Amino acid sequence: DSGVTQTPKHLITATGQRVTLRCSPRSGDLSVYWYQQSLDQGLQFLIQYYNGEERAKGNILERFSAQQFPDLHSELNLSSLELGDSALYFCASSVFSNTGELFFGEGSRLTVL
Amino acid sequence: ELKVEQNPLFLSMQEGKNYTIYCNYSTTSDRLYWYRQDPGKSLESLFVLLSNGAVKQEGRLMASLDTKARLSTLHITAAVHDLSATYFCAVDWNTGNQFYFGTGTSLTVIP
Repeated sequence: DSGVTQTPKHLITATGQRVTLRCSPRSGDLSVYWYQQSLDQGLQFLIQYYNGEERAKGNILERFSAQQFPDLHSELNLSSLELGDSALYFCASSVFSNTGELFFGEGSRLTVL
Repeated sequence: ELKVEQNPLFLSMQEGKNYTIYCNYSTTSDRLYWYRQDPGKSLESLFVLLSNGAVKQEGRLMASLDTKARLSTLHITAAVHDLSATYFCAVDWNTGNQFYFGTGTSLTVIP
C-alpha cells in the first residue's frame, strides 16, 4: 500500500458526460501528479500540482482540468467524454524531495461507452 | 519533446536465464527511475538512480545509469516467475516537475 488513495476505482459512463476522479496523496506529500494509461498511448503525464499550485502540464486535453485543494487532495475533471478517454488514470504523489520518487495510487479505471 | 524509449517492448525468457532491459532518453538528465507494474495494478518504485554511474541492486534486479550515453539498464539475473510484470523507466525533466515514462517492457518468465 503506497498510501495514495484514489476514488472511484471503477467508473462506467457514456460519451458526452463529465466525471471527477479524486486523489488523496500520502501524508506529508505536497506534490500530486496525474497520469493516463491506455493501451495505445502508454503512460502519459497529464499535470502536476505542488502545494495547491499548478507546476507542470503535460499532454492534458482542454476538456480535462484538475486542481489541488488546501488539504492537498486533488481532483481530475474529465468532461465531454469520448470513447478514446477510456483508460486507467493514476495519481501519484511525492514529497518533492531531491529523489523525486513517485508513489502511485491504485488507479481509477474509466470506461466510456 | 522528451522521448524515453525502452527495448525490448516484450520479453519472454526462461527461468534461470539472464537478460537486460534498456532505457534510452533524449535529453540531459541525471535522475532516472525504474518501476514495476503487475497487470491491472499500480506502479511500484524499484530503483532511484540519481547520478552518472549509479548502480542499485535488489534481489535479482540491478539497475545502472550512464548519463553521458543517456542510457539506463535493468539487468535480470537468474529470472524467476515472480518477476513477470511490466517494467517502466522514467526520466525526471525540469527537475522534478515532470516525469516522463518509457514505453514499458512486458516481461514474461516461463517456468
